[in-house]
Amino acid sequence: DQQVKQNSPSLSVQEGRISILNCDYTNSMFDYFLWYKKYPAEGPTFLISISSIKDKNEDGRFTVFLNKSAKHLSLHIVPSQPGDSAVYFCAASAEYSSASKIIFGSGTRLSIRP
Amino acid sequence: DTAVSQTPKYLVTQMGNDKSIKCEQNLGHDTMYWYKQDSKKFLKIMFSYNNKELIINETVPNRFSPKSPDKAHLNLHINSLELGDSAVYFCASRQGNTDTQYFGPGTRLTVL
Repeated sequence: DQQVKQNSPSLSVQEGRISILNCDYTNSMFDYFLWYKKYPAEGPTFLISISSIKDKNEDGRFTVFLNKSAKHLSLHIVPSQPGDSAVYFCAASAEYSSASKIIFGSGTRLSIRP
Repeated sequence: DTAVSQTPKYLVTQMGNDKSIKCEQNLGHDTMYWYKQDSKKFLKIMFSYNNKELIINETVPNRFSPKSPDKAHLNLHINSLELGDSAVYFCASRQGNTDTQYFGPGTRLTVL
């Protein structure tokens, strides 16, 4: 039962163009969404997040959009750079008795080609 | 100045052995987690401790036992290792009422 889905296992984008990574979720109790970036042989690192009370959050080249009615979020990276090549995990959380339990998607491998 | 560290980074062992993975965070966070990343690359939560108290315990075989000697450490002990335990295990920590978790570099466990 995948509550957070990333249906594209991989994505290739030309340097300088926009990268759009998509994520869908099924649990309407989720109230916080995060994107993590992971390089090989390293742990995931936090990239950007958005609360369910917002529909957009921007941080430099990274923007996350949330469409609650569609239970869909996306991460936009513009312009894409070679260092952006990594696996991107979408994640969602809902408070359960003082704990914050994050549910991760399966990841999308982004490759930026020159 | 590693924020969340894990040892060892790689662990190769035989079926039936008992092994431990250690995690330490120097961020002063209250809550720590263990995740398992399986062969399909899903990151699944296993346990969470808040101030040394177990608060999340997913459906994990009781061969897995987390131990938190203090709030900066959360170790994972695995008894009677099985082939299916082969995976990358990530430790993470979180502070207070934020949702952002900070991950360690992972421990790749291979059971032969």
